[in-house]
Amino acid sequence: DTGVSQDPRHKITKRGQNVTFRCDPISEHNRLYWYRQTLGQGPEFLTYFQNEAQLEKSRLLSDRFSAERPKGSFSTLEIQRTEQGDSAMYLCASSLVSGDSYEQYFGPGTRLTVT
Amino acid sequence: DQQVKQNSPSLSVQEGRISILNCDYTNSMFDYFLWYKKYPAEGPTFLISISSIKDKNEDGRFTVFLNKSAKHLSLHIVPSQPGDSAVYFCAASAPGDMRFGAGTRLTVKP
Repeated sequence: DTGVSQDPRHKITKRGQNVTFRCDPISEHNRLYWYRQTLGQGPEFLTYFQNEAQLEKSRLLSDRFSAERPKGSFSTLEIQRTEQGDSAMYLCASSLVSGDSYEQYFGPGTRLTVT
Repeated sequence: DQQVKQNSPSLSVQEGRISILNCDYTNSMFDYFLWYKKYPAEGPTFLISISSIKDKNEDGRFTVFLNKSAKHLSLHIVPSQPGDSAVYFCAASAPGDMRFGAGTRLTVKP
């Protein structure tokens, strides 16, 4: 296992279209996180899963956004009716909850451009 | 609300000298702190971390210092190398929650 992978790496879509991104975490990790990063800012938390359960969602996650992790392995993030303000880098990270260790390992991200 | 702040957007140092990157946080519930390094077109890479029960953690050229009373942490890189040039993000964590600073772009000049 070489780390967290994300697909696609780049997505260009027209406003109003739906898009779906996939994240494959490190295989033994039980937590999976989604973040959004815009230029000049650090990653902003969107949501996270422990196994298949979605435990927390940020208020940044509007009802146009939905995330799933159906079998506790890979996850998808769907954005419906995309808006230009959705243009950003979407990062996925995974971690193994162990003691007081909170290291998250990030994928390369999916860059979304909404035209 | 920005709970983690990196007030220096950029830092330039000479190769071989010390780089010091600073980070401040506001939420006293954070109990674990991390530094990530990010190259263009890649996701952030974990660099070093520190638990709130410690005030220093060292890993090779990288040392993180935590001052809980001041809600401040810093990353020291010594000696700095040109390959260290990247954006460095400070992160503060509580169970199920991680907040990032806006990042500091470090440039190490040969």
